[in-house]
Amino acid sequence: GQSLEQPSEVTAVEGAIVQINCTYQTSGFYGLSWYQQHDGGAPTFLSYNALDGLEETGRFSSFLSRSDSYGYLLLQELQMKDSASYFCAVRDGRTGGFKTIFGAGTRLFVKA
Amino acid sequence: SAVISQKPSRDICQRGTSLTIQCQVDSQVTMMFWYRQQPGQSLTLIATANQGSEATYESGFVIDKFPISRPNLTFSTLTVSNMSPEDSSIYLCSVGTSGDSYEQYFGPGTRLTVT
Repeated sequence: GQSLEQPSEVTAVEGAIVQINCTYQTSGFYGLSWYQQHDGGAPTFLSYNALDGLEETGRFSSFLSRSDSYGYLLLQELQMKDSASYFCAVRDGRTGGFKTIFGAGTRLFVKA
Repeated sequence: SAVISQKPSRDICQRGTSLTIQCQVDSQVTMMFWYRQQPGQSLTLIATANQGSEATYESGFVIDKFPISRPNLTFSTLTVSNMSPEDSSIYLCSVGTSGDSYEQYFGPGTRLTVT
């Protein structure tokens, strides 16, 4: 089946670095995505890793290890506005990768 | 990218009634997805709406309860029928991009409260 595991909550201070881990189990892996969602808002796309390694986009980086079925989202120089929920997600290989399955989400609290 | 609008943004409905949520995309897309999200929870896929064919429903969701229309490549509706308080949730429509970097774009959501 398809499943993803990520921590439910993470707390960090402004200016710090935080890593949100995600392990997944899926049939027919296409790639691992990360989404950010602020309270009351819609999820917004952050990153997508199809191959092993680190992808960097500004303060955010995402890593994937396909052999370990593991990835993480790294947030550097944390800002208060980074307080949000972060979801890892995989494309459902059973249906040709067109559907996305989301993890339960990690609630990030950034403290001053 | 894709810009998605939804109507209504929120509604309070009585049990036993139905609500139709509209989703409009600013570009033509093959697949549109409908999700449900309880506050503080993850996103649960309800169905995939394809233009010109019946929607494909996920386990636990049935067409009689959540009928979907997809009359063209930029528009879809989701109806929540015979509502009960358990249907209170946020309903989001979404589209995905094609290509190597698969991104999904979401509408702002419809916050439904059933009393």
